[in-house]
Amino acid sequence: DQQVKQNSPSLSVQEGRISILNCDYTNSMFDYFLWYKKYPAEGPTFLISISSIKDKNEDGRFTVFLNKSAKHLSLHIVPSQPGDSAVYFCAASADGSARQLTFGSGTQLTVLP
Amino acid sequence: DAGITQSPRHKVTETGTPVTLRCHQTENHRYMYWYRQDPGHGLRLIHYSYGVKDTDKGEVSDGYSVSRSKTEDFLLTLESATSSQTSVYFCASDTGQGFSGETQYFGPGTRLLVL
Repeated sequence: DQQVKQNSPSLSVQEGRISILNCDYTNSMFDYFLWYKKYPAEGPTFLISISSIKDKNEDGRFTVFLNKSAKHLSLHIVPSQPGDSAVYFCAASADGSARQLTFGSGTQLTVLP
Repeated sequence: DAGITQSPRHKVTETGTPVTLRCHQTENHRYMYWYRQDPGHGLRLIHYSYGVKDTDKGEVSDGYSVSRSKTEDFLLTLESATSSQTSVYFCASDTGQGFSGETQYFGPGTRLLVL
Protein backbone atom coordinates (compact mmCIF):
# COMPACT_ATOMS: atom_id res chain seq x y z
CA ASP A 1 0.00 0.00 0.00
CA GLN A 2 1.74 3.12 -1.25
CA GLN A 3 1.61 5.93 1.29
CA VAL A 4 2.94 8.47 -1.20
CA LYS A 5 1.47 8.43 -4.68
CA GLN A 6 2.40 10.20 -7.88
CA ASN A 7 -0.41 9.22 -10.20
CA SER A 8 1.03 10.76 -13.36
CA PRO A 9 3.99 8.74 -14.66
CA SER A 10 4.76 11.39 -17.26
CA LEU A 11 4.09 15.03 -18.13
CA SER A 12 5.02 17.07 -21.20
CA VAL A 13 5.11 20.87 -21.17
CA GLN A 14 6.18 23.54 -23.62
CA GLU A 15 9.25 25.58 -22.75
CA GLY A 16 8.29 28.78 -20.92
CA ARG A 17 5.01 27.38 -19.64
CA ILE A 18 4.19 26.21 -16.12
CA SER A 19 4.84 22.60 -15.06
CA ILE A 20 2.68 21.26 -12.26
CA LEU A 21 3.64 17.95 -10.67
CA ASN A 22 1.28 16.39 -8.16
CA CYS A 23 1.70 14.10 -5.18
CA ASP A 24 -0.87 12.60 -2.81
CA TYR A 25 -0.27 10.96 0.54
CA THR A 26 -2.35 8.84 2.86
CA ASN A 27 -0.44 8.95 6.15
CA SER A 28 -1.73 11.86 8.23
CA MET A 29 1.42 11.65 10.38
CA PHE A 30 3.62 12.96 7.57
CA ASP A 31 4.84 16.43 8.51
CA TYR A 32 7.76 17.12 6.20
CA PHE A 33 7.76 16.86 2.43
CA LEU A 34 10.53 17.04 -0.16
CA TRP A 35 10.92 17.05 -3.91
CA TYR A 36 13.90 15.48 -5.63
CA LYS A 37 14.97 15.68 -9.26
CA LYS A 38 16.73 12.82 -11.00
CA TYR A 39 18.58 12.82 -14.32
CA PRO A 40 19.39 9.52 -16.08
CA ALA A 41 22.40 7.66 -14.69
CA GLU A 42 22.63 10.05 -11.70
CA GLY A 43 21.40 9.98 -8.14
CA PRO A 44 18.42 12.07 -7.04
CA THR A 45 19.21 15.63 -6.00
CA PHE A 46 17.24 17.71 -3.54
CA LEU A 47 15.06 20.42 -5.03
CA ILE A 48 12.78 21.95 -2.41
CA SER A 49 11.02 21.03 0.82
CA ILE A 50 8.10 22.16 2.95
CA SER A 51 7.12 21.65 6.55
CA SER A 52 3.52 20.92 7.48
CA ILE A 53 3.32 24.23 9.34
CA LYS A 54 3.45 26.01 5.99
CA ASP A 55 1.29 25.81 2.91
CA LYS A 56 3.75 27.27 0.42
CA ASN A 57 7.49 27.46 -0.09
CA GLU A 58 9.29 29.18 -2.95
CA ASP A 59 12.80 28.92 -4.29
CA GLY A 60 13.38 30.75 -7.53
CA ARG A 61 11.37 29.10 -10.30
CA PHE A 62 10.19 26.32 -7.97
CA THR A 63 7.22 26.53 -5.60
CA VAL A 64 5.77 23.75 -3.53
CA PHE A 65 2.19 23.95 -2.27
CA LEU A 66 0.84 21.81 0.55
CA ASN A 67 -2.87 21.16 1.13
CA LYS A 68 -3.02 19.21 4.38
CA SER A 69 -6.78 18.73 4.39
CA ALA A 70 -6.59 17.10 0.96
CA LYS A 71 -3.29 15.35 1.74
CA HIS A 72 -1.93 16.76 -1.47
CA LEU A 73 1.19 18.61 -2.51
CA SER A 74 2.25 20.02 -5.81
CA LEU A 75 5.42 21.36 -7.36
CA HIS A 76 5.14 24.30 -9.74
CA ILE A 77 7.98 25.17 -12.10
CA VAL A 78 7.69 28.55 -13.80
CA PRO A 79 8.93 29.07 -16.44
CA SER A 80 9.80 25.56 -17.47
CA GLN A 81 13.13 25.05 -19.23
CA PRO A 82 14.45 22.10 -21.27
CA GLY A 83 17.02 21.45 -18.53
CA ASP A 84 14.13 20.72 -16.16
CA SER A 85 13.43 17.50 -18.07
CA ALA A 86 13.98 14.80 -15.46
CA VAL A 87 12.15 12.42 -13.15
CA TYR A 88 10.69 14.15 -10.11
CA PHE A 89 10.11 12.26 -6.87
CA CYS A 90 8.12 13.51 -3.93
CA ALA A 91 9.00 12.18 -0.50
CA ALA A 92 7.55 12.48 2.99
CA SER A 93 8.57 11.83 6.56
CA ALA A 94 6.72 11.68 9.87
CA ASP A 95 9.37 13.12 12.18
CA GLY A 96 9.91 16.55 10.68
CA SER A 97 13.27 15.62 9.25
CA ALA A 98 14.87 13.92 6.26
CA ARG A 99 15.23 10.64 8.12
CA GLN A 100 12.92 7.77 7.22
CA LEU A 101 11.65 9.13 3.91
CA THR A 102 8.85 7.46 1.96
CA PHE A 103 9.07 8.13 -1.77
CA GLY A 104 6.50 8.30 -4.54
CA SER A 105 6.99 6.44 -7.80
CA GLY A 106 8.11 9.51 -9.73
CA THR A 107 6.90 11.63 -12.65
CA GLN A 108 8.93 12.00 -15.84
CA LEU A 109 8.78 15.66 -16.90
CA THR A 110 9.66 16.50 -20.48
CA VAL A 111 9.98 20.17 -21.40
CA LEU A 112 9.66 20.63 -25.13
CA PRO A 113 11.66 23.40 -26.83
CA ASP B 1 26.74 18.45 -2.61
CA ALA B 2 27.78 15.80 -0.12
CA GLY B 3 30.62 13.57 -1.26
CA ILE B 4 29.02 10.17 -1.70
CA THR B 5 30.48 7.53 -3.96
CA GLN B 6 29.29 4.04 -4.78
CA SER B 7 31.23 1.08 -6.10
CA PRO B 8 30.94 -0.67 -8.39
CA ARG B 9 28.82 1.50 -10.67
CA HIS B 10 27.77 -1.48 -12.78
CA LYS B 11 27.78 -5.18 -12.02
CA VAL B 12 26.58 -8.32 -13.76
CA THR B 13 26.40 -11.47 -11.69
CA GLU B 14 24.81 -14.87 -11.73
CA THR B 15 21.96 -16.18 -9.64
CA GLY B 16 23.14 -17.63 -6.35
CA THR B 17 26.38 -15.68 -6.08
CA PRO B 18 27.09 -13.23 -3.25
CA VAL B 19 27.36 -9.56 -4.12
CA THR B 20 28.57 -6.62 -2.02
CA LEU B 21 27.95 -3.00 -2.90
CA ARG B 22 29.92 -0.25 -1.21
CA CYS B 23 28.91 3.27 -0.26
CA HIS B 24 31.45 5.82 0.92
CA GLN B 25 30.71 9.33 2.24
CA THR B 26 33.11 12.04 3.28
CA GLU B 27 30.64 14.30 5.13
CA ASN B 28 30.77 12.58 8.51
CA HIS B 29 27.02 12.03 8.23
CA ARG B 30 25.53 9.91 10.96
CA TYR B 31 22.68 8.37 8.95
CA MET B 32 23.17 6.27 5.81
CA TYR B 33 20.62 4.48 3.66
CA TRP B 34 20.35 1.91 0.90
CA TYR B 35 17.48 2.14 -1.58
CA ARG B 36 16.51 0.27 -4.69
CA GLN B 37 14.78 1.90 -7.63
CA ASP B 38 12.47 -0.10 -9.84
CA PRO B 39 10.01 1.05 -12.52
CA GLY B 40 6.65 1.93 -11.00
CA HIS B 41 7.97 1.78 -7.44
CA GLY B 42 10.18 4.79 -7.07
CA LEU B 43 12.78 4.48 -4.32
CA ARG B 44 12.25 1.84 -1.67
CA LEU B 45 14.29 1.67 1.50
CA ILE B 46 16.23 -1.56 2.01
CA HIS B 47 18.22 -0.87 5.20
CA TYR B 48 19.52 2.14 7.02
CA SER B 49 22.14 2.92 9.61
CA TYR B 50 21.98 5.49 12.40
CA GLY B 51 25.57 5.06 13.53
CA VAL B 52 28.56 2.73 13.47
CA LYS B 53 27.30 -0.83 13.97
CA ASP B 54 23.72 0.47 14.33
CA THR B 55 21.43 -0.65 11.51
CA ASP B 56 17.76 -1.37 10.95
CA LYS B 57 15.50 -2.82 8.29
CA GLY B 58 13.57 -0.87 5.73
CA GLU B 59 10.56 -1.70 3.59
CA VAL B 60 12.23 -4.32 1.35
CA SER B 61 14.99 -5.89 3.47
CA ASP B 62 14.45 -9.59 2.67
CA GLY B 63 17.52 -11.06 0.97
CA TYR B 64 19.78 -8.17 1.95
CA SER B 65 22.16 -7.51 4.83
CA VAL B 66 24.23 -4.46 5.70
CA SER B 67 27.23 -3.55 7.76
CA ARG B 68 28.74 -0.30 8.98
CA SER B 69 32.10 -0.60 10.68
CA LYS B 70 33.14 3.01 10.03
CA THR B 71 31.16 6.24 9.83
CA GLU B 72 32.09 6.74 6.19
CA ASP B 73 31.33 3.26 4.82
CA PHE B 74 28.04 1.39 4.47
CA LEU B 75 28.02 -1.99 2.76
CA LEU B 76 25.04 -3.76 1.22
CA THR B 77 25.32 -7.53 0.72
CA LEU B 78 23.14 -9.82 -1.30
CA GLU B 79 24.00 -13.19 0.22
CA SER B 80 22.67 -15.18 -2.72
CA ALA B 81 21.59 -12.97 -5.59
CA THR B 82 18.28 -13.61 -7.35
CA SER B 83 16.90 -12.20 -10.59
CA SER B 84 14.34 -10.20 -8.58
CA GLN B 85 17.25 -8.22 -7.13
CA THR B 86 18.13 -6.83 -10.55
CA SER B 87 17.73 -3.13 -9.92
CA VAL B 88 19.45 0.21 -9.52
CA TYR B 89 20.75 0.68 -5.99
CA PHE B 90 21.24 4.09 -4.42
CA CYS B 91 23.04 4.98 -1.26
CA ALA B 92 22.19 8.16 0.63
CA SER B 93 23.25 9.95 3.78
CA ASP B 94 22.17 12.81 6.01
CA THR B 95 23.34 14.42 9.21
CA GLY B 96 20.69 12.69 11.25
CA GLN B 97 20.25 15.73 13.45
CA GLY B 98 16.52 15.66 12.80
CA PHE B 99 16.05 19.28 11.83
CA SER B 100 13.43 20.47 9.40
CA GLY B 101 15.06 21.69 6.22
CA GLU B 102 17.44 18.78 6.03
CA THR B 103 17.76 16.53 3.03
CA GLN B 104 19.27 13.21 2.15
CA TYR B 105 22.20 13.29 -0.27
CA PHE B 106 22.38 10.53 -2.82
CA GLY B 107 25.20 8.67 -4.51
CA PRO B 108 25.28 8.10 -8.28
CA GLY B 109 23.80 4.60 -8.10
CA THR B 110 24.90 1.03 -8.88
CA ARG B 111 23.20 -0.81 -11.70
CA LEU B 112 23.02 -4.53 -10.85
CA LEU B 113 21.97 -7.22 -13.27
CA VAL B 114 21.45 -10.74 -11.93
CA LEU B 115 21.34 -13.37 -14.69
